[in-house]
Amino acid sequence: EVQLVESGGGLVKPGGSLRLSCAASGFMFSTYSMNWVRQAPGKGLEWVSSIGSGSTYKNYADSVKGRFTISRDNAENSLYLQMNSLRAEDTAVYYCARETYSNAVYYFDYWGQGTLVTVSS
Amino acid sequence: DIQMTQSPFTLSASVGDRVTITCRASQNIGTWLAWYQLKPGKAPYLLIYKASTLKSGVPSRFSGSGSGTEFTLTITSLQPDDFATYYCQQYRTFGQGTKVEIK
Repeated sequence: EVQLVESGGGLVKPGGSLRLSCAASGFMFSTYSMNWVRQAPGKGLEWVSSIGSGSTYKNYADSVKGRFTISRDNAENSLYLQMNSLRAEDTAVYYCARETYSNAVYYFDYWGQGTLVTVSS
Repeated sequence: DIQMTQSPFTLSASVGDRVTITCRASQNIGTWLAWYQLKPGKAPYLLIYKASTLKSGVPSRFSGSGSGTEFTLTITSLQPDDFATYYCQQYRTFGQGTKVEIK
């Protein structure tokens, strides 16, 4: 059974840092691209960042570029998001999601339950 | 950048109703569209990919259609477990979401 479990969320002051983790199990983690997606309170889903299976590429939404860093450890089946210079508008539930390519399209077929990040003084 | 526009924002319906949600893309995306179901405190759940392909295990009352710029998610005979928020997605771009609530 595919499982994605996020951790590392919490309350942090503006300008602070936080590192999110996503533990993957039930599939060959090293062969899949992975993503972080967030949902701010009362808002919709927003893609944050993605990383290739071998860390061959890393992409970021403009809203987090230069502040967030995505990484992965395939030996540990883990995905990470280092968040620096946090702002109030980064407050959200952060989900990790597995990316699948099938029938010539990409989609996110499995998601974790999310971890809440609150940026407030 | 591609924009995805969903309608309506909120939909009030009763158990047993047929429900249709629309998603429009700002440019031709072929059939590169997925639909997800979100419930508070739960992991988002993939329902449909490639516009009309049902993920294994998803009830057959869910269906997707469309291509190019206009897409629909239809739920025939709405069930209590279906009250949730639904999102369309074109790769890294999501629609604004449609909340299906109890009438």
